Amino acid sequence: GDSVTQMEGPVTLSEEAFLTINCTYTATGYPSLFWYVQYPGEGLQLLLKATKADDKGSNKGFEATYRKETTSFHLEKGSVQVSDSAVYFCALSGNQFYFGTGTSLTVIP
Amino acid sequence: ETGVTQTPRHLVMGMTNKKSLKCEQHLGHNAMYWYKQSAKKPLELMFVYSLEERVENNSVPSRFSPECPNSSHLFLHLHTLQPEDSALYLCASSQGGLGETQYFGPGTRLLVL
Repeated sequence: GDSVTQMEGPVTLSEEAFLTINCTYTATGYPSLFWYVQYPGEGLQLLLKATKADDKGSNKGFEATYRKETTSFHLEKGSVQVSDSAVYFCALSGNQFYFGTGTSLTVIP
Repeated sequence: ETGVTQTPRHLVMGMTNKKSLKCEQHLGHNAMYWYKQSAKKPLELMFVYSLEERVENNSVPSRFSPECPNSSHLFLHLHTLQPEDSALYLCASSQGGLGETQYFGPGTRLLVL
């Protein structure tokens, strides 16, 4: 069945460092792919999405490209800030929504 | 109010209590969801309502009882819970079914003593 696998955390980075959080998926058909972010004490917020191969989703300096050939949707940001500290979830929508287990990111000044 | 709201934000209850969680969406969506988020575990989909009809129930114990009186409101009635039910309960909504973009509320943090 469909599934999402994302890198284990936690991830700790210094401010202004480059961020990559890996996400790969297994799916039949042509799913949409998402990144959600959960700040401490809050629910999940949609960060970005891509609906077809080669699409690039972007928001708040974060980017992810839908790569069908590698079945991946890695999240990247060129320069992280302390305020980016949160848990990031990769997700896939086919006939259902599937979430990854989340990757905790801590950015230190 | 905008987006998806949930009340209460925090709840402490004993195992013999009965309480209800409330969710309201202000997005004009026609599907609503309850999720359970426990530490160190993947997000668990509990219930799905589309057009006010329950379309998904992932074998959730009967001590959780959902209610969807209209497309904007969703309740989760709780009774005789167990300590392992302590978790963050998240409500979400979408326009269309399970495969559509979901928008989440802030959650209710539940502690069962």
